[in-house]
Amino acid sequence: AQSVTQLDSHVSVSEGTPVLLRCNYSSSYSPSLFWYVQHPNKGLQLLLKYTSAATLVKGINGFEAEFKKSETSFHLTKPSAHMSDAAEYFCVVIHTGTASKLTFGTGTRLQVTL
Amino acid sequence: DTGVSQNPRHKITKRGQNVTFRCDPISEHNRLYWYRQTLGQGPEFLTYFQNEAQLEKSRLLSDRFSAERPKGSFSTLEIQRTEQGDSAMYLCASSLSPGLAGYNEQFFGPGTRLTVL
Repeated sequence: AQSVTQLDSHVSVSEGTPVLLRCNYSSSYSPSLFWYVQHPNKGLQLLLKYTSAATLVKGINGFEAEFKKSETSFHLTKPSAHMSDAAEYFCVVIHTGTASKLTFGTGTRLQVTL
Repeated sequence: DTGVSQNPRHKITKRGQNVTFRCDPISEHNRLYWYRQTLGQGPEFLTYFQNEAQLEKSRLLSDRFSAERPKGSFSTLEIQRTEQGDSAMYLCASSLSPGLAGYNEQFFGPGTRLTVL
């Protein structure tokens, strides 16, 4: 079975400083991985996806993630946090097969302070 | 706005009552998914449709839950004899069928928050 583990339930950074949200995955083969963001009262939005092409994936709003097979990690980073980045972030793995159902991590709440 | 819409956005009900939620997907999407998100957790897969056919149901979906997509467009999720443990955010997502890449992005609605008293 495929799964993801988000290592931090809550991360707080100052505006303008780097963001690091950590995610480890478990899979018997090369997975497809995603990061989604959930703002209050809004639907989940896809930030970026890794589907076995380039290991460094660039997403929207300046976010990027690097797939590291040796470390089974897919950490999300951003060089400089903005107040509007405050939200819940989910690391997600997709189940192969016909369903394409998503398995979400437990989420990391990102707080951005002045 | 041509995104996924869900109604109602909030529902408060008493234990034992039946509730029904509606999801309107993006019009050209043939796949529709239901997920449930409880407090402090990530969403969990419940079921999905391809056109009007319900192709998979999670073990989380007890006999009290039923979902339909009668014409391959909107979908309804009904919970009978609600229990306090059913309190959660119910999320709907839609997508096209997976292509050669094996995946097409799922677009999520804002969810229906259910509170069972």
